[in-house]
Amino acid sequence: DTAVSQTPKYLVTQMGNDKSIKCEQNLGHDTMYWYKQDSKKFLKIMFSYNNKELIINETVPNRFSPKSPDKAHLNLHINSLELGDSAVYFCASSQDRGLAYEQYFGPGTRLTVT
Amino acid sequence: AQSVTQLGSHVSVSEGALVLLRCNYSSSVPPYLFWYVQYPNQGLQLLLKYTTGATLVKGINGFEAEFKKSETSFHLTKPSAHMSDAAEYFCAVSDFNQAGTALIFGKGTTLSVSS
Repeated sequence: DTAVSQTPKYLVTQMGNDKSIKCEQNLGHDTMYWYKQDSKKFLKIMFSYNNKELIINETVPNRFSPKSPDKAHLNLHINSLELGDSAVYFCASSQDRGLAYEQYFGPGTRLTVT
Repeated sequence: AQSVTQLGSHVSVSEGALVLLRCNYSSSVPPYLFWYVQYPNQGLQLLLKYTTGATLVKGINGFEAEFKKSETSFHLTKPSAHMSDAAEYFCAVSDFNQAGTALIFGKGTTLSVSS
């Protein structure tokens, strides 16, 4: 019974295309996140939602647009894909937004832009 | 702002040997610290966390970490390495960010275990 799931697991697409990644958590958590892991395995926060409200919006290109239709789902839409967008994107969730709450990560979506 | 430094991008040990992965943090407030493990082509799995209280924290798979405020360290140890411990390990600190919190990760340490 997967706690945080993402689809698709792999995504290969050409420059200029638009793509979406979906995330769902069945933990009953209020807060969800998108992290990006680059080719050197460095992880960085992109966005966070708490109960459908955007609470963290890091400096990323506005081609990236998150959406949370309800507190169990968080999607990431990317317009006009560029080579530099190639990375692994992780969704995560936590019980609430506080400092002490651990985050549970999904399996990741490996995006390759050619 | 908070930051995390993991000393040693690659650590190699023999099976049965002690595992020591180093993590130092910088924080202007009492830190909340985490260790995560990432197996190849998988997501991150929480090994253990320190919030408050006991400074020696026990986690899953026989790992433990000790919070040392005077040394600003949170090193991860395991007495006896198994082949299955080979993975990428990340130390992280929780930080306020706009209206929420986010994990600030170190650059990771690759643990290799040889037989």
